[in-house]
Amino acid sequence: DTGVSQNPRHKITKRGQNVTFRCDPISEHNRLYWYRQTLGQGPEFLTYFQNEAQLEKSRLLSDRFSAERPKGSFSTLEIQRTEQGDSAMYLCASSPWGGFGHEKLFFGSGTQLSVL
Amino acid sequence: AQKITQTQPGMFVQEKEAVTLDCTYDTSDPSYGLFWYKQPSSGEMIFLIYQGSYDQQNATEGRYSLNFQKARKSANLVISASQLGDSAMYFCAMREGLTQGGSEKLVFGKGTKLTVNP
Repeated sequence: DTGVSQNPRHKITKRGQNVTFRCDPISEHNRLYWYRQTLGQGPEFLTYFQNEAQLEKSRLLSDRFSAERPKGSFSTLEIQRTEQGDSAMYLCASSPWGGFGHEKLFFGSGTQLSVL
Repeated sequence: AQKITQTQPGMFVQEKEAVTLDCTYDTSDPSYGLFWYKQPSSGEMIFLIYQGSYDQQNATEGRYSLNFQKARKSANLVISASQLGDSAMYFCAMREGLTQGGSEKLVFGKGTKLTVNP
């Protein structure tokens, strides 16, 4: 399977715990994005990488959130001291970059986080 | 103000009929792109169609077409010959600043849930 892979698919945690999600993009894609989707809403942009460089972060990404993409391959999103408001679907996407702005994003199936 | 507005929370259509899903957008940027994505119950967002602000013709991709009315700032998705597998959430999204190195983020609407009835 050459699509975007996210692990785990589901994560249940207690408030205050730290969680980490992993995303493996399509191998030839140099851009990787993280979005968050809450129930009844469209996805909201969190951050994106070009290769290993994190080029843009949303104000939604508080200091409890950190994302990395070492060596420009897979990426991890960590949430420290989780809160109930962090419960959401976390979506990862990747794309090639041709410099035109119309490159489509390829999404993974997401990680559903539930904070109890 | 919301950048992307999808006013139809839910739509129903009979199999084999056409359906239009509405999307209006708000931007002062002359260079932008509009996207439609489908999200089935499995959760994965699937790209359907793209329209650039400078494109002269409406985009088409198989059974999908985009009714782009720039002056009205609308970008409605038309699905022809609906199939049962088209039942899903549909999201309209916009990327601004395409020619000025603007933000890479896609801004999504709240979506429309389409149900195709046999």
